[in-house]
Amino acid sequence: QLQLQESGPGLVKPSETLSLTCTVSGGSISSSNYYWDWIRQPPGKGLEWIGSIYYSGSTYYNPSLKSRVSISVDTSKNQFSLDLTSVTAADTAMYYCATHIYFFYYMDVWGEGTTVTVFS
Amino acid sequence: QSALTQPASVSGSPGQSITISCTGTSSDVGGYNYVSWYQQHPGKAPKLMIYEVSNRPSGVSNRFSGSKSGNTASLTISGLQAEDEADYYCSSYTSISTYVFGTGTKVTVL
Repeated sequence: QLQLQESGPGLVKPSETLSLTCTVSGGSISSSNYYWDWIRQPPGKGLEWIGSIYYSGSTYYNPSLKSRVSISVDTSKNQFSLDLTSVTAADTAMYYCATHIYFFYYMDVWGEGTTVTVFS
Repeated sequence: QSALTQPASVSGSPGQSITISCTGTSSDVGGYNYVSWYQQHPGKAPKLMIYEVSNRPSGVSNRFSGSKSGNTASLTISGLQAEDEADYYCSSYTSISTYVFGTGTKVTVL
């Protein structure tokens, strides 16, 4: 059974880069069976899909964030990561990593989330 | 891409049925049978309740059902129970290989 755990700094300063990591257990991040996703939720607001990566390195991003987002995979650590540049207070949110099975279009495993606050 | 439209809140008494709508476009909800629904209790991660419009994952109560007509998908909760009080989000795959979530609906059990 796959399990996901987010980690990273809880505080980021405006204009800097937010970097988070999701550690995968119970399966291999190199598996061709999965896409790996990032989703966020600002306080008191709804869910926003950030992007996905396939084990091959193919990436898909939310058009509204595409210019600032990068998702990558580290197979040696069984992790995938999110980088979001030039952050502002609007990027303050709970960030979730999740996964969906190749050729299926729903996120069936989620991490518990990690809170990131942007403030100076 | 714009968020899918859901009612902000829906309420019902225990035992009743409620339905939550999720309206998109022909580029997302209307174009694919890839609508999913998630339940989120306060302080918790979302939980998959329905996938591919009307399928329930193992372990999800059969009181939850989904459907779709045109650009609008729906989630129905029958036999409403106190534990169903939560936020619910729809999601759809889109024509540009991305995902979009709904605005979210708070379900209150009266």
